[in-house]
Amino acid sequence: GESVGLHLPTLSVQEGDNSIINCAYSNSASDYFIWYKQESGKGPQFIIDIRSNMDKRQGQRVTVLLNKTVKHLSLQIAATQPGDSAVYFCAERAGSGGTSYGKLTFGQGTILTVHP
Amino acid sequence: DTGVSQDPRHKITKRGQNVTFRCDPISEHNRLYWYRQTLGQGPEFLTYFQNEAQLEKSRLLSDRFSAERPKGSFSTLEIQRTEQGDSAMYLCASSSKRGLLGNSPLHFGNGTRLTVT
Repeated sequence: GESVGLHLPTLSVQEGDNSIINCAYSNSASDYFIWYKQESGKGPQFIIDIRSNMDKRQGQRVTVLLNKTVKHLSLQIAATQPGDSAVYFCAERAGSGGTSYGKLTFGQGTILTVHP
Repeated sequence: DTGVSQDPRHKITKRGQNVTFRCDPISEHNRLYWYRQTLGQGPEFLTYFQNEAQLEKSRLLSDRFSAERPKGSFSTLEIQRTEQGDSAMYLCASSSKRGLLGNSPLHFGNGTRLTVT
């Protein structure tokens, strides 16, 4: 079936570096994408989202890029801090009609480790 | 705390027992979701409520699972005759309808970790 996946399961960076976490998706009908951060023992925490009619969206220290041509999504974290260490998930929503609002399909996740 | 609240945080039960989890969504959110997450995997959708109506159920939700949201506020997820394969983190999320274009982002609780021995 359709799925969302991540290229790299782990990423290690030094404090202060920029981090890029990548995600590939296969459902061309997906119209909404979202990144979550999950720390150990906690639920996923919303970071940033983007609709399919956009190719870039910026937040505080984070930027999400969407390339629909190659079905690729990335999360850029500027000046990465030790507190950014967590598992990062991308997720997609297939279509915007009917009752599927908010039903997300998650990828496997990337473990980000930030070294002081 | 105005986030999504789940209770209990941890539950250990013996195979064959019934368990029930509770979720209190963010108060102004009319949409509520249950997801299941196993170690090393992303959350998987189980079911979705808009107000008190259960509008969608995943094929993952076997007939041993039942979810309710009787007054359109809190929700419960019950698992009957638990099996070891039910061991997972059960996550609840809520959102509000935002305009005609869709959802606000899903906000997740910290989950209930179920261990079936």
